[in-house]
Amino acid sequence: KQEVTQIPAALSVPEGENLVLNCSFTDSAIYNLQWFRQDPGKGLTSLLLIQSSQREQTSGRLNASLDKSSGRSTLYIAASQPGDSATYLCAVSAYNTDKLIFGTGTRLQVFP
Amino acid sequence: DAGVIQSPRHEVTEMGQEVTLRCKPISGHDYLFWYRQTMMRGLELLIYFNNNVPIDDSGMPEDRFSAKMPNASFSTLKIQPSEPRDSAVYFCASSLERWNEQFFGPGTRLTVL
Repeated sequence: KQEVTQIPAALSVPEGENLVLNCSFTDSAIYNLQWFRQDPGKGLTSLLLIQSSQREQTSGRLNASLDKSSGRSTLYIAASQPGDSATYLCAVSAYNTDKLIFGTGTRLQVFP
Repeated sequence: DAGVIQSPRHEVTEMGQEVTLRCKPISGHDYLFWYRQTMMRGLELLIYFNNNVPIDDSGMPEDRFSAKMPNASFSTLKIQPSEPRDSAVYFCASSLERWNEQFFGPGTRLTVL
C-alpha cells in the first residue's frame, strides 16, 4: 500500500530564505507526482506535476525534483515571500490506479 | 473556464438530515473525483468517475454516502442520514485524462450538529 510522508509538518522562516520541502513515498512504481498549495479555508491549487520519467520541473521560484528509485521528491522555493505562506501537499499516482495518494502536508509560514 | 464549481460553499445541518453537495467539473474533463478533508485523516478519496461512470467507490465510508454523475457537467454527493462525524470539507476535482493534473474546486464545508 502506497504511503506518502511529508517532513517537516510545519516550517517557519523569515522572508527571503530559500527553503526545501520534502516528500517521500513507499512504492516507487508511480506514474507521476504532483505538488499542491492550499491556503486556509480554500481549495488546492496545482503547482507542479512531474512525470515519472522526469527529474525536475520548474515554475517561477519553484523547483520540484523527483528521485523515483529512492521514493523522494523535494519542492524548492527560492527567495520566499510572506505570500508563500500556505500548506503544501504532495501526491502520487500509481500505474495501477487513477487515484492520487496525498501526503499530510507541510504548513509553511514566511514572516516579514 | 471558471474552474471546478462547487455548491454550497458552506452547509450546516442537523444530525439525520439529508445533505446534497454539487459539483460542476471543468468542461471537457473526463475524470471527476470527490475527496473529503479532515484534520485527523487529511485528504481522502471517496469516489471517482470516468466519463460519468463510477470507477472506484472503495473510499465511500458507508452506505449513507452515495454519488452520481448524470452527465458530463454535473455530479452530486449525497449523505443520508448525516451524522456529526461527517463534518469535514468536501472537495471535487477534475482532470482531462488519466493521470493528468487534477484541478480542485473551492470545497464545501459541512457541519453536522
